[in-house]
Amino acid sequence: EVQLVQSGAEVKKPGESLKISCKGSGYDFSNYWIAWVRQMPGKGLEWVGIIYPGDSDTRYSPSFQGQVTLSADKSINTAYLHWNTLKASDTGIYYCAREAAVASKWFGPWGQGTLVTVSS
Amino acid sequence: EIVLTQSPATLSLSPGERATLSCRASQGVDIYLAWYQLKPGQAPRLLIYDASKRASDTPARFSGSGSGTDFTLTISRLEPEDFASYYCQQRARWPENTFGQGTKLEIK
Repeated sequence: EVQLVQSGAEVKKPGESLKISCKGSGYDFSNYWIAWVRQMPGKGLEWVGIIYPGDSDTRYSPSFQGQVTLSADKSINTAYLHWNTLKASDTGIYYCAREAAVASKWFGPWGQGTLVTVSS
Repeated sequence: EIVLTQSPATLSLSPGERATLSCRASQGVDIYLAWYQLKPGQAPRLLIYDASKRASDTPARFSGSGSGTDFTLTISRLEPEDFASYYCQQRARWPENTFGQGTKLEIK
């Protein structure tokens, strides 16, 4: 069974750094794009970016370029979303999702989400 | 950036009724459009891709149609578990991807 398991909820202060994770299992982790998507409180879905673990090819949504860093360690089947300097506006649920089929460029299944709360 | 506009924002219907959700793109996206279902506390779920193809575990009561700029998600007879939020997403200019703002389907 294909699964994506995300790290647990985080509570941080503005200015702190954070890295959350998404571990894939049940498939060849290197060969499928991983997407990251944000849902701010009471709002809709926003595309953060995508990473191809096989070669770490990474693409960011313009709104998130320079604000976050995507990475992946294919040796442990894990993708990461990293902030150097958190802001209150980074609060939200962050989902990872796997490409539905090789080269399909659609995404499913999804992880359960990681709630990130940034508050002083 | 291609903007997706979903309507209505909220749709109030009863179980057994037919639901029709709309997604309009600011530029043509060919058939490169998907629909996702999102329930509180659950992971989003891919329902429809390439505008009209059902994902492997999507029930037959869900259907997608459209191409270019106008798309529709239809749920033929609503089941209680269908009341959720629905988002369309385009990837016509990969790797650019955008979502619509969502439609909340609520029980009347």
